[in-house]
Amino acid sequence: DSGVTQTPKHLITATGQRVTLRCSPRSGDLSVYWYQQSLDQGLQFLIQYYNGEERAKGNILERFSAQQFPDLHSELNLSSLELGDSALYFCASRGQGGGYTFGSGTRLTVV
Amino acid sequence: LAKTTQPISMDSYEGQEVNITCSHNNIATNDYITWYQQFPSQGPRFIIQGYKTKVTNEVASLFIPADRKSSTLSLPRVSLSDTAVYYCLVGDNVGNAGNMLTFGGGTRLMVKP
Repeated sequence: DSGVTQTPKHLITATGQRVTLRCSPRSGDLSVYWYQQSLDQGLQFLIQYYNGEERAKGNILERFSAQQFPDLHSELNLSSLELGDSALYFCASRGQGGGYTFGSGTRLTVV
Repeated sequence: LAKTTQPISMDSYEGQEVNITCSHNNIATNDYITWYQQFPSQGPRFIIQGYKTKVTNEVASLFIPADRKSSTLSLPRVSLSDTAVYYCLVGDNVGNAGNMLTFGGGTRLMVKP
């Protein structure tokens, strides 16, 4: 257990639907990062939050949004889903210094 | 963020030492070098981090030359379970910065019996 919790582990939904992925960072970590990894592809950075504020944005589609709540958990909202959105979505957290700790991911399948 | 270049793939045999080199020619003064390991369908796992010279922990060693333009991850006596993708990342060490953890393609290590 890395200390970063992601739910759900698996999600199957239809095109056009909306889903919410949840991430609880490691205790004490204020930064949360979201990544997308399609089949046999590298990790694509989506967005970063630090203590509730958006700090950096990567290749995140307009159909996707995220937020970090006062208790530091974060949610990634994916709407108007397309087949190409099927991927593993990882959340990572980080404290002051040191490496990033990743969760076990949410596997999203859009049918 | 400094860009990194790694070999796409490497093969090795059980019991051998594996060295994976990463080039990062435009590394900044504040940047650290961090290596991650990723198994299929799992999140990347932190292996080791360093700033200069040599760092060793229970699973790997990291060698960084004086100019810091490259680094080498050394895995001693690999086993089949070390088959994974290894990523080299370069970036600052501050958690609240607007830094993006940009992964390159990584090195796919295949350990054979």
